[in-house]
Amino acid sequence: QVQLKESGPGLVQPSQTLSLTCTVSGFSLTSNSVSWVRQPPGKGLEWMGAIWSGGSTDYNSALKSRLSISRDTSKSQVFLKMNSLQTEDTAIYFCTSNWFFDYWGQGVMVTVSS
Amino acid sequence: DIQMTQSPPSLSASLGDKVTITCQASQNINKYIAWYQQKPGKAPRLLIRYTSTLESGTPSRFSGSGSGRDYSFSISNVESEDIASYYCLQYVNLPTFGGGTKLELK
Repeated sequence: QVQLKESGPGLVQPSQTLSLTCTVSGFSLTSNSVSWVRQPPGKGLEWMGAIWSGGSTDYNSALKSRLSISRDTSKSQVFLKMNSLQTEDTAIYFCTSNWFFDYWGQGVMVTVSS
Repeated sequence: DIQMTQSPPSLSASLGDKVTITCQASQNINKYIAWYQQKPGKAPRLLIRYTSTLESGTPSRFSGSGSGRDYSFSISNVESEDIASYYCLQYVNLPTFGGGTKLELK
């Protein structure tokens, strides 16, 4: 069955870079897209960006200058890197599949604090 | 970017009520809207895609409709397990979520 699982550090210092990994199973990254979505505590959902089945990427215009998404198809992994983190980037970060977000990981809480 | 205006932000209902949530897009999204349910501490769950297509496992008391810029999502006969937050998502273009609706028991 389809599964996605996020992993990465729970705490990042301000101005540093966040690196997260989404490991998928049950589908191929060359057939389906993967997006990153985040949710600050008590707030709504924000689409961050996607890597499409062909390997191209798109980003939320508000994050584009700080965000990079890549993948390793041989390991079924998608990577998120976001630099210049600030406290407002504290959130749960989810990865999700397909262009209508049918399957989701359980999310990883990232706190930006010194 | 397409903006999604979701209302109301919160909703109070009694068990057995029918509730409706609306999302208005800033431009025509050609029915490419999905609806999600999210319970505290959990990932969102896809309930409906392409306006009205229920995902496997979505109870029939959930429904969606709309066209153009205006869409709605309804729950008939609200049950206790429906208490959650609900979000719309447009995916005709780069995805954007509505602001969410928190459904509470009256």
